[in-house]
Amino acid sequence: QSALTQPASVSGSPGQSITISCTGTSSDVGGYNSVSWYQQHPGKAPKLIISDVSHRPSGVSHRFSGSKSGNTASLTISGLRAEDEAVYYCSSYTTRTTPFVVFGGGTKLTVL
Amino acid sequence: QVQLQESGPGLVKPSETLSLTCTVSGGSISDYYWSWIRQTPGKGLEWIGYIYYGGSSNDNPSLRSRATMSVDTSKKQFSLKLSSVTAADTAVYYCAGENVAAAGTIVADAFDVWGQGTMVTVFS
Repeated sequence: QSALTQPASVSGSPGQSITISCTGTSSDVGGYNSVSWYQQHPGKAPKLIISDVSHRPSGVSHRFSGSKSGNTASLTISGLRAEDEAVYYCSSYTTRTTPFVVFGGGTKLTVL
Repeated sequence: QVQLQESGPGLVKPSETLSLTCTVSGGSISDYYWSWIRQTPGKGLEWIGYIYYGGSSNDNPSLRSRATMSVDTSKKQFSLKLSSVTAADTAVYYCAGENVAAAGTIVADAFDVWGQGTMVTVFS
């Protein structure tokens, strides 16, 4: 069981918007602006698409955006495209025990 | 553009030590906080730990101090040793890094460069 909770799957049609949630606690998601999101295509390494809750690294599409409310972070993908079909992971710094980084279990996005 | 390449044995016997190396190209080893992350079908992504060439490091407490990381600046490599492995350590192992310039107050918490990953199987 992963430290951060994500839905197992979400789906949407091309052009639509979807949101993926990532729920933690006040010791991680809620306590620090240290949430990141990764996109992983089959057989590939994860790719950073959002850091520090809402920062988009250079080269990442503006269709990806991040936010946070309380202990839940969210990734929104607007204008869905076929190439967005992938697994998305969130991560956060945590102080539940010794400070370190935890990941969510991943959300499979299907573009219908 | 920084590129990472993992190398090491694909098979390790139970109770032995898993050793992996990550070679850095296209950038300076001092420009990043370096991490190891593994991925299994059952547990998803798991952060193992990080190290900086300057000496700071941290590792996942769930590994019970079995992980040791080091940096060799002359070879532009960083390494992971995981002792007393069991079948539960079977995974794809990734090396990854966070650019020091992009890091905030909390370091090594976002990984903007990744290796391709290497599969390690613990098998007797």
